[in-house]
Amino acid sequence: KAGVTQTPRYLIKTRGQQVTLSCSPISGHRSVSWYQQTPGQGLQFLFEYFSETQRNKGNFPGRFSGRQFSNSRSEMNVSTLELGDSALYLCASSEAGGVGGAFFGQGTRLTVV
Amino acid sequence: GIQVEQSPPDLILQEGANSTLRCNFSDSVNNLQWFHQNPWGQLINLFYIPSGTKQNGRLSATTVATERYSLLYISSSQTTDSGVYFCAGTSGGSYIPTFGRGTSLIVHP
Repeated sequence: KAGVTQTPRYLIKTRGQQVTLSCSPISGHRSVSWYQQTPGQGLQFLFEYFSETQRNKGNFPGRFSGRQFSNSRSEMNVSTLELGDSALYLCASSEAGGVGGAFFGQGTRLTVV
Repeated sequence: GIQVEQSPPDLILQEGANSTLRCNFSDSVNNLQWFHQNPWGQLINLFYIPSGTKQNGRLSATTVATERYSLLYISSSQTTDSGVYFCAGTSGGSYIPTFGRGTSLIVHP
């Protein structure tokens, strides 16, 4: 089975712009979660999608949004980028209920200048 | 949600040494996992270990669910073991893993 694929791997954006990141889960996995990782805050949960519905949401402003398509692929969008949004964004997929654990993609490293 | 405490936060070893990393949970945990984050940022699955003991080469893990902790053992460490090790688990009806802050391991040749 192919693993979790995230694109792009690296991004440089300017303050005020918006960005869209993509995640393709492992075949058969219907749950996709997104995390933000920064040196100071560690791994923070953004949101989780299951069957095209946002099932859980972390404590992030409304500038962070996401969606999931019928093939379970997910995108996250960040609007009006701020310098503090510079981070590694990780996507994880898992089977329903989390049984078997979560599997992560390689991440997208976003730099906001 | 549950709190996850990892210890030690930092560990420096000479190649060939053994080590034990610990993960404590504030509540009963399901779907417990150990990850290794490589220098490029990817989280590599090491173990899915809700309970019991598993071994994979030089690495092994033990989870004592009733006492809410898990241990990761690294034997005969190598420089390629360097990186950050995370444990994570779900609790109650949540499917979202909560992560510890990680243990940063440096193995010197």
